[in-house]
Amino acid sequence: QKEVEQDPGPLSVPEGAIVSLNCTYSNSAFQYFMWYRQYSRKGPELLMYTYSSGNKEDGRFTAQVDKSSKYISLFIRDSQPSDSATYLCAMSTTSGTYKYIFGTGTRLKVLA
Amino acid sequence: GAVVSQHPSWVICKSGTSVKIECRSLDFQATTMFWYRQFPKQSLMLMATSNEGSKATYEQGVEKDKFLINHASLTLSTLTVTSAHPEDSSFYICSARVAAGNTEAFFGQGTRLTVV
Repeated sequence: QKEVEQDPGPLSVPEGAIVSLNCTYSNSAFQYFMWYRQYSRKGPELLMYTYSSGNKEDGRFTAQVDKSSKYISLFIRDSQPSDSATYLCAMSTTSGTYKYIFGTGTRLKVLA
Repeated sequence: GAVVSQHPSWVICKSGTSVKIECRSLDFQATTMFWYRQFPKQSLMLMATSNEGSKATYEQGVEKDKFLINHASLTLSTLTVTSAHPEDSSFYICSARVAAGNTEAFFGQGTRLTVV
């Protein structure tokens, strides 16, 4: 079993839709949770960074963490064609090298 | 967010030669930098963690003599792919953590290496 599971998609939605992206994890030591957006042939761009359970909102993006279920989500409201990219979840512990463990990424396509 | 610059963005080299990739933190000092490799449509695979002034820590299965990492200053880390072969062709990405103990990390734009 992988430490972090993420559906690779692709996920296609119409413009304006609410998008839900999810990751599950098995290591209860993960305390930091990140969402990155990666366009083709580019480096990942940090979207959201959370530490505690609950919701964190930033513009059209909402990150949700449920540590009891080992489940995290990223919601995108009013999705735009420019949101079409691969979304990667990442997590790390609070000790050691703080290295990130990434999900496989979900490819999202928002149709105009 | 903080800016991490990676150079070059793409490089083509002949089999058997060495290639150096630079990763710079432009507006902050990065005590720790990470090097990743990404194959098409796959996630990022951590290759090594480098701390300024000390030897890099390599992940299991990564050849340290082939992928030389140097972190000589708080703003620069380099990855040198030595004696490159076609199977080394990949997308290499670095990331830098903003501060010690803070796990927020920012990524460079990546380097696409093609070995012919």
